[in-house]
Amino acid sequence: AQSVTQLDSHVSVSEGTPVLLRCNYSSSYSPSLFWYVQHPNKGLQLLLKYTSAATLVKGINGFEAEFKKSETSFHLTKPSAHMSDAAEYFCARTGFGGAQKLVFGQGTRLTINP
Amino acid sequence: DAGVIQSPRHEVTEMGQEVTLRCKPISGHDYLFWYRQTMMRGLELLIYFNNNVPIDDSGMPEDRFSAKMPNASFSTLKIQPSEPRDSAVYFCASSLARGRGGNEQFFGPGTRLTVL
Repeated sequence: AQSVTQLDSHVSVSEGTPVLLRCNYSSSYSPSLFWYVQHPNKGLQLLLKYTSAATLVKGINGFEAEFKKSETSFHLTKPSAHMSDAAEYFCARTGFGGAQKLVFGQGTRLTINP
Repeated sequence: DAGVIQSPRHEVTEMGQEVTLRCKPISGHDYLFWYRQTMMRGLELLIYFNNNVPIDDSGMPEDRFSAKMPNASFSTLKIQPSEPRDSAVYFCASSLARGRGGNEQFFGPGTRLTVL
């Protein structure tokens, strides 16, 4: 079955330190992959997407993600965390055959400590 | 572009009442999606439309839920009768078709529904 696994439900880092949010997907082919961010009481906002071009994808607000087919992973990173990065982050993938609907992970809550 | 617009932003109602949530997708988008988000179940896809036609409603929890898209710029999600377990945040999202430039979904701000 198509699935997305976010390996950490909660990540806590100090301001100014690196951020790593982990995502693995199940697939027998390379889907399109996405990272979304949700700030409190807001909708989901697209951070970045992978669509079989460059394996290192740069997004907004200094975030980037690397597609690793051999590991079926699409981890999100940022070199230096900012207080405004505190939010819920969702990894998602397209379904089989390029289906328009997305399969979402359960989310990772990122807390930034001053 | 104003993005995806949802109304109301907050709705409080009593059990047994009818609730109608509204969504205006981004102009020109081909697909419209309705999601429900709760702490227990996370983000769930309820139904989605392509060019105003329902494609997959397998996520609709039961017959009390119905969705329509009478035209390209408007969709409704109706719950009748509502129950306390329907309390959640309901999101609408829209996207272009993959062949028209992308399949990322753009989300509205959501409607927070509380059923007492």
